[in-house]
Order: sequence, then structure tokens, then C-alpha cells
Amino acid sequence: LAKTTQPISMDSYEGQEVNITCSHNNIATNDYITWYQQFPSQGPRFIIQGYKTKVTNEVASLFIPADRKSSTLSLPRVSLSDTAVYYCLVGNYNTNAGKSTFGDGTTLTVKP
Amino acid sequence: DGGITQSPKYLFRKEGQNVTLSCEQNLNHDAMYWYRQDPGQGLRLIYYSQIVNDFQKGDIAEGYSVSREKKESFPLTVTSAQKNPTAFYLCASSPTGGGTDTQYFGPGTRLTVL
Repeated sequence: LAKTTQPISMDSYEGQEVNITCSHNNIATNDYITWYQQFPSQGPRFIIQGYKTKVTNEVASLFIPADRKSSTLSLPRVSLSDTAVYYCLVGNYNTNAGKSTFGDGTTLTVKP
Repeated sequence: DGGITQSPKYLFRKEGQNVTLSCEQNLNHDAMYWYRQDPGQGLRLIYYSQIVNDFQKGDIAEGYSVSREKKESFPLTVTSAQKNPTAFYLCASSPTGGGTDTQYFGPGTRLTVL
């Protein structure tokens, strides 16, 4: 499966839009990109999943360029409660979810 | 109320003892997973199971054992062979085990070896 690379950490301020980019240069044709959020001492929770172009839900947007070698998670108008670790995963229907690794994620710190 | 439960929340163990962490789900999911998380690091897969009576080793299975006798239960035993077992342990489940499945996580068990 494609290896993913994310920045280790990011800082932002309340009310700003935050964009976290994930690099997955070896993404396969059937691979989807999934993002999770994890608060301290809790399990991760699903945020968004996409295959190409743009996906939006009530929490975030996911932008995937045509070559699909990277993806960007966009969090609009962040608040202090968005401080968390964000993980990017790559996987497809034909592989087991156990093969998609969480990596170290991106620690987002939102400041007042 | 559907979800995943893990018990206990905190667990203390003496060196040389085996300990079993419980994970139960009532989501009717086929697949279940165990992850280990060390401070400041990401999740590493210990074991996963896509179906009852079958399970596969993850990246760091040495010193751990699991069983999957029932669909809703996937207990993890941390054996004395695990050299550094102090960590946060997370159990998850997903509908089918496919690579695009959403994984649903339990609240975790924090294990400390004294």
C-alpha cells in the first residue's frame, strides 16, 4: 500500500482555516484516502473519505488533485476543540484494513 | 446503544505476569483490531481479525496473543514475553475489514507495568 507522509505538527489560531496535506506518491488506482481525528487518551474517529476532486461534509473538506499523489484536509474556522492529532490513511476495497497504517499523524494545536 | 467497549480503563501489572484486555462490540461488525499507542506516537497494529476463529498478525504481534471465538469479542493477552508493555491499547471494529472501511474505536485501556 502507498506510504503516507504528513507534517509532524501545525499551529493555528481560532477562527482560521487549517489545511493539512498528506503525501501519498505511490497511491494505487483503487485506493481511497481516509482521515481520522484523535483527541488525547481517546480512540481516533473518522472524519472524511474521498477518491478524487473534492468531498465535503459537516466537519471538513477533502481536496484531492487529479494526480492523487497528495490530499489536503481542510478544517474551516477552527476552534480550540479542534486541537488533536489528524491521521491520513490510504486503502482500497481489495486489501484488508489492517494493511492501512496510521503513522504518526499531524498534531494540530489551535491557539486562542 | 451501539459501540465498542474496552475494559478495564486502567490496568496495572507486575513484570512477568500475563494480562488480558477485553474488547466487545455490538455493531455486528465482522472485523476487529488491536492497536498499541506509545506517548507522542501513532497507532501500531498488533493483530486483526476479519472473521470468527481467524486472525492475522500486525506489525508488532510479538509478545501478544488474541482469540476470536465470538463475533462480538476480541480479547488481547499481553504476555510476559512482551518486553515493554506499558502503553495505551486501542481496540477497533469495522463492518467488513476492507481497506476503505471506517474503523470504530473503543475508549482504550492504559496498561502500566510496575
